[in-house]
Amino acid sequence: EDQVTQSPEALRLQEGESSSLNCSYTVSGLRGLFWYRQDPGKGPEFLFTLYSAGEEKEKERLKATLTKKESFLHITAPKPEDSATYLCAVHQGSNDMRFGAGTRLTVKP
Amino acid sequence: DVKVTQSSRYLVKRTGEKVFLECVQDMDHENMFWYRQDPGLGLRLIYFSYDVKMKEKGDIPEGYSVSREKKERFSLILESASTNQTSMYLCASSSPGGSQPQHFGDGTRLSIL
Repeated sequence: EDQVTQSPEALRLQEGESSSLNCSYTVSGLRGLFWYRQDPGKGPEFLFTLYSAGEEKEKERLKATLTKKESFLHITAPKPEDSATYLCAVHQGSNDMRFGAGTRLTVKP
Repeated sequence: DVKVTQSSRYLVKRTGEKVFLECVQDMDHENMFWYRQDPGLGLRLIYFSYDVKMKEKGDIPEGYSVSREKKERFSLILESASTNQTSMYLCASSSPGGSQPQHFGDGTRLSIL
């Protein structure tokens, strides 16, 4: 069965402490991998799309990378305002987009 | 910027009621989606639509129906609400063709008592 697994479930960092979030997938025929940020009580906000292995995208302190089996969201020198749940989703064709359960990131000042 | 607006942020209904959740997008997107989000389960697709008057079942359509009479509006209907339908409901829209990101509304937190 096609799956999207995110790890860890929760991550607590000190301000400035860089780390990475993982999204592993087992879908065949990947057509796109998406990262979203979700704040409490809000809908997911689109961050990046990655289409092929080796591709990288950056936005401020965030950098997303993609391999054939997984994607990483690297957070460099995070700030408290980076605290949120980060969701990964994969699109394999037709309109079948599968979401992971998310990583809840807390950045303490 | 894409704007997806859900009619209610919070809604409380009783078991057995017929419930309507409304969603409007302002970017002329062909594709629209309804998800529910529950802790530990992520987002699960209920129904989606590629065009006006068109609908497709997602992963968990039981107990729900949808209506898309206009391109910008996609409604989710709980035919006879039950307590296990208490959840956060999220609407999204996207452009057609290829792998386009979905843009989400802020959700409706629905409680069925």
